[in-house]
Amino acid sequence: GEDVEQSLFLSVREGDSSVINCTYTDSSSTYLYWYKQEPGAGLQLLTYIFSNMDMKQDQRLTVLLNKKDKHLSLRIADTQTGDSAIYFCAESRGGGFKTIFGAGTRLFVKA
Amino acid sequence: NAGVTQTPKFQVLKTGQSMTLQCAQDMNHNSMYWYRQDPGMGLRLIYYSASEGTTDKGEVPNGYNVSRLNKREFSLRLESAAPSQTSVYFCASSEALAGGPDTQYFGPGTRLTVL
Repeated sequence: GEDVEQSLFLSVREGDSSVINCTYTDSSSTYLYWYKQEPGAGLQLLTYIFSNMDMKQDQRLTVLLNKKDKHLSLRIADTQTGDSAIYFCAESRGGGFKTIFGAGTRLFVKA
Repeated sequence: NAGVTQTPKFQVLKTGQSMTLQCAQDMNHNSMYWYRQDPGMGLRLIYYSASEGTTDKGEVPNGYNVSRLNKREFSLRLESAAPSQTSVYFCASSEALAGGPDTQYFGPGTRLTVL
């Protein structure tokens, strides 16, 4: 069945790069997403990547997709304390199909 | 634009009580969703509505009912609350055009405790 897995915790020092990893099982996934959840709030879409792309960059965020290994990563450059949050990986086959979310990775940024 | 709004923000119920969680979106989205979030388990889909007038079960529908009242509103009802339904509930909406990305917009959540 469909499944999305990610590690539960990551701790980095302020100014370092953070890399959050995710694996998924559905080979028909068309879109892969990263959402951010700050304390006490709902999820917010950070970025998504279409499955025919290997990489997408948006300011401090870099998404890498290895479709062969079904591996997705999110790199945050120059991590700040404001980046402390839970990051969710998700996948879908596109509109009309359900989006499957991972359990979330809690990022701690130490000053 | 308020986006997705949810009421109430917090609720405490006794076992066996009923309540309805309200959700509304002002983005003219076709699809709406109800999720629950429990520690270490991520988001689990309870019910969704692909369009006005349709609803479908998600991964964990037992103990819940939904109503898609109109295009804007999607409510979640607990008929007889149980302690296992203690959770944070999120409503979301998306445009969900066929073949396009399913970018979802989330409400702020309802924190429900069942004693």
